[in-house]
Amino acid sequence: EVQLVQSGAEVIKPGDSLRISCKASGYIFTSYWIVWVRQMPGKGLEWMGIIYPGDSDTRYNPSFEGQVTISADKSIRTSYLQWNSLKASDTAMYYCARLGETSGSYYFYYYMDVWGKGTTVTVSS
Amino acid sequence: DIQMTQSPSSLSASVGDRVTITCQASQDISNYLNWYQQKPGEAPKLLIYDASNLETGVPSRFSASRSGTDFTFTINSLQPEDVATYYCQQYDNFLRGFTFGPGTKVDIK
Repeated sequence: EVQLVQSGAEVIKPGDSLRISCKASGYIFTSYWIVWVRQMPGKGLEWMGIIYPGDSDTRYNPSFEGQVTISADKSIRTSYLQWNSLKASDTAMYYCARLGETSGSYYFYYYMDVWGKGTTVTVSS
Repeated sequence: DIQMTQSPSSLSASVGDRVTITCQASQDISNYLNWYQQKPGEAPKLLIYDASNLETGVPSRFSASRSGTDFTFTINSLQPEDVATYYCQQYDNFLRGFTFGPGTKVDIK
């Protein structure tokens, strides 16, 4: 079974650093992009960035570039989302998802076909 | 940047009703549009990819179509388990950007 298992909920103080994880199983980890998505309380979905574990090619939403670091360790099939100094405004649910793909006539089509259950991050003093 | 407008922001319908949600892209995005369902307290779930292709295992009462930069998502015969927020999502085919629509919350009347 293809699945992504995310690390548990975190309660963190402002200014602290944090790394949350997303462990993949059931498919070739190095062959699919991993996407990170933020959902602030009561709000919609925001793409943060993607990483291709095969070569660590990483692309960020400009809104998040410099604020977070996305990485992957292919030896343990795990992607990470990291902050160096959290703010109260980082309080949110964070999801990882696999970017599936289908070959069309001229292009590949991409979609987030497998999702982790999410990691709740609460930043509070 | 490509902007996605989604309407309505919420709707309430009766069991068995046909429900339609639309997303409009600010420019041509070809078929690079997907639809997701997010039930309360759950992670999103892929329903439709490539604008109109039903994901494996998704009930056939869900469908979607494209006309130019307008995308339509339909639930034929709304069921109680369809209570959720539905999001459209577009992407750049070079994977330089992804944008979710603001979402449509669907309730049972």
